Formats: sequence, structure tokens, C-alpha cells
Amino acid sequence: DAMVIQNPRYQVTQFGKPVTLSCSQTLNHNVMYWYQQKSSQAPKLLFHYYDKDFNNEADTPDNFQSRRPNTSFCFLDIRSPGLGDAAMYLCATSRDTGTGRSPLHFGNGTRLTVT
Amino acid sequence: AQTVTQSQPEMSVQEAETVTLSCTYDTSESDYYLFWYKQPPSRQMILVIRQEAYKQQNATENRFSVNFQKAAKSFSLKISDSQLGDAAMYFCAYRSNNNDMRFGAGTRLTVKP
Repeated sequence: DAMVIQNPRYQVTQFGKPVTLSCSQTLNHNVMYWYQQKSSQAPKLLFHYYDKDFNNEADTPDNFQSRRPNTSFCFLDIRSPGLGDAAMYLCATSRDTGTGRSPLHFGNGTRLTVT
Repeated sequence: AQTVTQSQPEMSVQEAETVTLSCTYDTSESDYYLFWYKQPPSRQMILVIRQEAYKQQNATENRFSVNFQKAAKSFSLKISDSQLGDAAMYFCAYRSNNNDMRFGAGTRLTVKP
């Protein structure tokens, strides 16, 4: 089945130690997103890729970076995690049709703990 | 910037009964799409239903239907014949043509047997 896969499901890192979260998709969608979701809150968009074009949200901290080496893979790098970065990180994809009609398809998320 | 507001942090419904979850949004755009997503505990976010703003007819998917009031910028979700498996966080979302999808704060739905 075509899907969005996030690895790992759970990630523990130390304060200040760089960490990378991974996302892959078999849907061949051209748009990929990273959302941060804290407990019982709305997912917050960090950035998205339209093909290889990177679109950063204005309030996304510089501590968060992303890479998309090809259509299938996208990575979220947190350069120096703080305690406030502990959250669920959701990867999503969509097929751009020139409108907003296409829904987002989400992975299972990676829960990040910072110790 | 577009905002999405869900004013009900929590709702509960008796099994087999009907419940309505509220959502309002703010936008200056005329062409956009609205979505309801379901997020069960520790599970993946999945699409429940979608509404195109240019369509007057309310979307329906089996037991799920919406009441879309474009002038009032309101987009509520009705769940009929509620089932235990409907228990989840429900997020209302707005998307325009710029690829961003904005979510409301969510409503936690409890289904009582």
C-alpha cells in the first residue's frame, strides 16, 4: 500500500545533541510537510517542500532545518534540541493540483523526547 | 493570515447518538478547501471529509456530514450513529491554493457505551 513512513517512531535525544527525523513516501507526491504537534494542540506547520523548493514558516526557529534529497525522502534536523522541542513530529504529503483540493496524507509521527 | 477556531475542547456523545463539532475560520480568500481530520490516540491522522468552498452542497461521507455556511465562515461536522471507534481528536483544517494547511486546536470526542 502507498504510504507515508516515519522513522523512528520514538526518539530520545539529549539537550543540545543534534537529531534527525526521517520521512519517506511511496505516494510520489510532490509536496512534503513537517508539522510539530505538542500535547493536545493543533499541528503547527514548520516548513514544506514543493518539489525541491523549500518554504519556511516565518516563526519556525533557526534550530530546525530540513532536507529533501529526492521525491521520496525528507528529513527534519534539529541542530540543538531544547526541552521545549519535545513533541510529536508529523510528516505529511500531498499531490499539488494547482489548488488546495488535495488532502494531506500523514505518517504515524515521531515522538521526540529531550532529556 | 488564515485562522481556524474550534471552540469545543472536549465533547462527549452516547453510542448511537448524534454529535456536532463546531469550527469557524477567518479568511479573505474566496477559493479554498476545508477538511476534518481524525486523530485516534497514538495513531495516524486520517481524513474524514472534505468540502470545496465553491460548492453549496454539503459534503457527506457515510455517517459523517458537514454544515458549511460560507457567509458565516462556519464548518461543523456531524457524526450520526456514533460508534466507540469514533473516539478521537478531531481537527478542522483550512487550505487555500498556496499549499499550506492550517489546523484548529482540536476537539476531543469521547463516546460513551
